Amino acid sequence: SQQGEEDPQALSIQEGENATMNCSYKTSINNLQWYRQNSGRGLVHLILIRSNEREKHSGRLRVTLDTSKKSSSLLITASRAADTASYFCATDGGNFGNEKLTFGTGTRLTIIP
Amino acid sequence: EPEVTQTPSHQVTQMGQEVILRCVPISNHLYFYWYRQILGQKVEFLVSFYNNEISEKSEIFDDQFSVERPDGSNFTLKIRSTKLEDSAMYFCASSLRGDSPLHFGNGTRLTVT
Repeated sequence: SQQGEEDPQALSIQEGENATMNCSYKTSINNLQWYRQNSGRGLVHLILIRSNEREKHSGRLRVTLDTSKKSSSLLITASRAADTASYFCATDGGNFGNEKLTFGTGTRLTIIP
Repeated sequence: EPEVTQTPSHQVTQMGQEVILRCVPISNHLYFYWYRQILGQKVEFLVSFYNNEISEKSEIFDDQFSVERPDGSNFTLKIRSTKLEDSAMYFCASSLRGDSPLHFGNGTRLTVT
């Protein structure tokens, strides 16, 4: 698989349920980030997790990172219709800073009211 | 909350023509980026810019592309002779530091006919 592959590619759930998306990557990283993209809009940063962290929370978001498996997951709890969007992970390839982020293919999340 | 703004939102041009895509990054940010997203594909890194010079560029960013920060607020991407395959959404982004999250604009949809 390519650097930054999310799965599933698409996910539909009922409002109120939890949504889990996964990301796998190939190179070493300093940090991994998750972004959201609403249709036709720019990407919005959600959360950044550093390579020495295993879990991070922000509101209804929970991100885990397993550097031994080169994978991360994003959990959105108690989903809302407004969470409908595409979600991307992005890695820095081990380089200092975000100068060259590599984005995944994204998970298209649909929340059914 | 400060935003990255991009103009125009949609640009249609004929093959071989020059286009300039404009961006106003967040005012106190020091790092600037261009990414692009071909319809249905990944978000791809083009170039990063810091201290008035390119800090990194991808293979996509060939001699047809150039960036400029002509004054204290604007950041532009020029494509000298557009090709059909340049059709994509072009996103400008900025960050406060090299390792802080990116703030994206809403993009310019470039259509080359």
